[in-house]
Amino acid sequence: EAQVTQNPRYLITVTGKKLTVTCSQNMNHEYMSWYRQDPGLGLRQIYYSMNVEVTDKGDVPEGYKVSRKEKRNFPLILESPSPNQTSLYFCASSTSAGALSYNEQFFGPGTRLTVL
Amino acid sequence: LAKTTQPISMDSYEGQEVNITCSHNNIATNDYITWYQQFPSQGPRFIIQGYKTKVTNEVASLFIPADRKSSTLSLPRVSLSDTAVYYCLVGLNSGNTPLVFGKGTRLSVIA
Repeated sequence: EAQVTQNPRYLITVTGKKLTVTCSQNMNHEYMSWYRQDPGLGLRQIYYSMNVEVTDKGDVPEGYKVSRKEKRNFPLILESPSPNQTSLYFCASSTSAGALSYNEQFFGPGTRLTVL
Repeated sequence: LAKTTQPISMDSYEGQEVNITCSHNNIATNDYITWYQQFPSQGPRFIIQGYKTKVTNEVASLFIPADRKSSTLSLPRVSLSDTAVYYCLVGLNSGNTPLVFGKGTRLSVIA
């Protein structure tokens, strides 16, 4: 089944304790992205990757890191989480075929993170 | 970055047509307009996409005027299962620019 998976689905942690949220897709997609979703603010892009070893900042990258060593995986790293990073996080992937186009993004199920 | 503005919420009765408008005054020449649907506890799901004029698929229509500064998602004859949050997105993911979603419109369908 074609899908985007995220782990963990739920996480409660404390301020300053490094954590990683994994994201994996089995559709051979080039483009992958992380979003956070907060009440009243909608979806905001954190980082995105056009392909392996290529990552770029989204709208709200502060406090986050990503890496893209393999095409299928795009982990989100919080080196020193703070309470304002408590949020619902979504990973998404899509093809990146052709220039100047938008290709449907497929979203994972989400990771609910609480930082105390 | 193209900024989008949508109504926060809308109510509708079952069987009615619902139109949700998104404003995107500074849309770039190459940007596409895409709409997503999100149910509670799930990730967003693609509904429809367009560049200009009108696009129709099996679930919705998308109307885009010539100036492309707004777009309207039209849901024909809504049912209770269409209760969800609908997001407008302007941009493209084949270039080196971030994607910007609107804040979403919460549609409540009433029996």
